Amino acid sequence: SYVLTQPPSVSVAPGKTARITCGGNNIGSKSVHWYQQKPGQAPVLVIYYDSDRPSGIPERFSGSNSGNTATLTISRVEAGDEADYYCQVWDSSSEVFGGGTKLTVL
Amino acid sequence: EVQLVESGGGLVQPGRSLRLSCAASGFTFDDYAMHWVRQAPGKGLEWVSGISWNSGSIGYADSVKGRFTISRDNAKNSLYLQMNSLRAEDTALYYCAKGDGNGIATAGDYWGQGTLVTVSS
Repeated sequence: SYVLTQPPSVSVAPGKTARITCGGNNIGSKSVHWYQQKPGQAPVLVIYYDSDRPSGIPERFSGSNSGNTATLTISRVEAGDEADYYCQVWDSSSEVFGGGTKLTVL
Repeated sequence: EVQLVESGGGLVQPGRSLRLSCAASGFTFDDYAMHWVRQAPGKGLEWVSGISWNSGSIGYADSVKGRFTISRDNAKNSLYLQMNSLRAEDTALYYCAKGDGNGIATAGDYWGQGTLVTVSS
């Protein structure tokens, strides 16, 4: 089965840029979606189809996907961005999630 | 406003069955695929099952294949998950999610708040 690999944690200072990676075999050939989940809350879609932003998601959130790595980039990080982030792809008739990355704002 | 409200969770013994429901509102239900995603306590997200707009395409995670059955009633704007032969490892918060298109390979653009399933003797 397809495996998506995310770093368990990423730390960033307020105002800086956070980059969260999602690794998978030839993931660049797939559409990648990203979700944000804050404690006690349901996930929220923040990026879909590699780099599109749903309505209501700040422009500070962006995505890219190429080769074996997809990346979620959060610019000008704010305290409110502290959350778990998950990548997701569709592969061989099933959805696959990465293990999640905890973003800590220092 | 899109709303997804799950129900049917609870405490159940191993080997027993449970049926989850998801009531949808605020969008044209029969235009979109729907998914069930679960999250074990303190763990990450795991896709469980998905169903296309007309039930013509259905998928399951290997971990539930043969035990769980997804279905939908477009006339009632409702999604279901029949869970049989439950195991301790099925213990999780089960989310209902709306797909962003009518096919099964879609992003989940709206999520419910989840219903908790606990499998224990």
